[in-house]
Amino acid sequence: QLVLTQSPSASASLGASVKLTCTLSSGHNNYAIAWHQQRPEKGPRYLMKHNSDGSHSKGDGIPDRFSGSRSGAERYLTISSLQSDDEADYYCQTWVSGINGVFGGGTKLTVL
Amino acid sequence: EVQLVESGGGLVQPGGSLRLSCEASGFTFSSYWMHWVRHTPGKGLVWVSHVNSDGSRTTYADSVKGRFTISRDNAKNTLYLQMTSLRAEDTALYYCARGGELIDYWGQGTLVTVSS
Repeated sequence: QLVLTQSPSASASLGASVKLTCTLSSGHNNYAIAWHQQRPEKGPRYLMKHNSDGSHSKGDGIPDRFSGSRSGAERYLTISSLQSDDEADYYCQTWVSGINGVFGGGTKLTVL
Repeated sequence: EVQLVESGGGLVQPGGSLRLSCEASGFTFSSYWMHWVRHTPGKGLVWVSHVNSDGSRTTYADSVKGRFTISRDNAKNTLYLQMTSLRAEDTALYYCARGGELIDYWGQGTLVTVSS
């Protein structure tokens, strides 16, 4: 019943862009998801959500460098002009009736 | 400004109990679902439980079902998590979070350590 799949790690250079992927499992590919950032030794921070109708909305104060897109069962979080404090774990999250709250395994982003 | 402040964590022996609290401010608490989520270095973020806006519906992860109870007091703008029969694998940072189905604000967390 694995619902959200994320690559364990990603890396990109300072100032570059990176695209993180969250893949919804078969039968769930139209679900809304949210992205959350967790910096080392910090609490998580909500970044944005992809609604089931394809629209996106961001959390308060989230810079334009963070953007979302989708293709089929994949949801993407793109971070442009990478900064050192973007180095963090990134999680996607959804809600499935009968399974309830679900998080992906997280992607650890390293900024080189 | 939305604020969620957890408290109640600490060191407890296996089989023991603990009650976590989360005080909310800066928004209409009674209008939102609330969640508890825990984090460990090995497993990342794991959803634990949710309660709907008026407290009439609750759900739990299988790993805590029957041992944890979520509740809320909308008059006090406070969310609770009563944890019983605690196990070593319950050791984690526990976060309270606001949502509907998707979380849009997080607290700073309270650490629960289950150890003899």
